[in-house]
Amino acid sequence: AQSVSQHNHHVILSEAASLELGCNYSYGGTVNLFWYVQYPGQHLQLLLKYFSGDPLVKGIKGFEAEFIKSKFSFNLRKPSVQWSDTAEYFCAVNAEGATNKLIFGTGTLLAVQP
Amino acid sequence: SQTIHQWPATLVQPVGSPLSLECTVEGTSNPNLYWYRQAAGRGLQLLFYSVGIGQISSEVPQNLSASRPQDRQFILSSKKLLLSDSGFYLCAWSTGRSGNTIYFGEGSWLTVV
Repeated sequence: AQSVSQHNHHVILSEAASLELGCNYSYGGTVNLFWYVQYPGQHLQLLLKYFSGDPLVKGIKGFEAEFIKSKFSFNLRKPSVQWSDTAEYFCAVNAEGATNKLIFGTGTLLAVQP
Repeated sequence: SQTIHQWPATLVQPVGSPLSLECTVEGTSNPNLYWYRQAAGRGLQLLFYSVGIGQISSEVPQNLSASRPQDRQFILSSKKLLLSDSGFYLCAWSTGRSGNTIYFGEGSWLTVV
């Protein structure tokens, strides 16, 4: 069965610091990978996704993620965070042919201090 | 454009009472529908998903059930709630294409007392 691991449960950064949130998945086949974000008081929304092609994916608000197949990883990065990036971030994986069944990690709560 | 709504937004129910959370999607047809539960420190747990009317797949053995009486309606139910059923429940939808984005509803807070 597929699973997703997010090793950082709670991250605190100062504004302008660089961010990298780890995500590893376990599945031997072809996968689609996602990062979702939940801002305080808002719905979960898609940040970026990888289906195929360039393993470096760019999303909204300056976020990017790199798919490294050999490491089963899809880490999220941002070179300079802002206070408004304070949110909970979820990595998710969907195995090809799994009828769009999306499996989420446990989430990382990011707090950016002004 | 497509929209998803679920209700009620907040619910406080006694142990042993029934539950019904309802979710509807507008602006699309034959969506995949999902119920997730979000618990602190445990992320989002997929409870049920449905690829069509009357087709329900259960991911986790539990005290809950789901039904899809209409194409764009998804209902989460329980005959007798347990304390452990407390949590934040999210309905979601996506198109049938593999790997497509999943869109979430506003969520429902359930407190079982």
